[in-house]
Amino acid sequence: ETGVTQTPRHLVMGMTNKKSLKCEQHLGHNAMYWYKQSAKKPLELMFVYNFKEQTENNSVPSRFSPECPNSSHLFLHLHTLQPEDSALYLCASSRLPGGSGNTIYFGEGSWLTVV
Amino acid sequence: GQQLNQSPQSMFIQEGEDVSMNCTSSSIFNTWLWYKQDPGEGPVLLIALYKAGELTSNGRLTAQFGITRKDSFLNISASIPSDVGIYFCAGPMNRDDKIIFGKGTRLHILP
Repeated sequence: ETGVTQTPRHLVMGMTNKKSLKCEQHLGHNAMYWYKQSAKKPLELMFVYNFKEQTENNSVPSRFSPECPNSSHLFLHLHTLQPEDSALYLCASSRLPGGSGNTIYFGEGSWLTVV
Repeated sequence: GQQLNQSPQSMFIQEGEDVSMNCTSSSIFNTWLWYKQDPGEGPVLLIALYKAGELTSNGRLTAQFGITRKDSFLNISASIPSDVGIYFCAGPMNRDDKIIFGKGTRLHILP
């Protein structure tokens, strides 16, 4: 138990569906992240939020829409995805978005399959 | 851009062997983090290092913060089957930079 909870753990969706991934952290952190991890590929940072404000968007396609209503919750809204978007989506949090002494804690991930 | 280079990319070892992997950068790091990711799970923090030269252990794992602040090492002694997974190094390069991750070292243990 890392203090970061992701739901659902597994999701299968069609290319025309709209779904959402949810993340909640119980660590009192201020920064939250979405990462994408495709098979046998490195972690890809997608979005960073600090105190509910988006501070980084790594050229992510608009079919991925993040939402951060407060420092404890982060959503990733999905619509009109492509099969190549199938991957493990990891949520993470940290006390601050960067800097020495900072540590990132990950959730268990949401496995997404687009059919 | 800023990069962390992990080596080796993949390792195949016999159960009981010791393991050594490292992470290097062309730039100075102020913090080194080592994570392990089991198949199908999120990465879990193993060891965090905050000072140059620091040597920290967590059970059979030992990690060191290189004196030059441009590298870090992770050693696993007497490997067991549950050590299988991907090991990532990570860290922020300076006070305000975001944390970046290496590409990982995949550890495979032969029976």
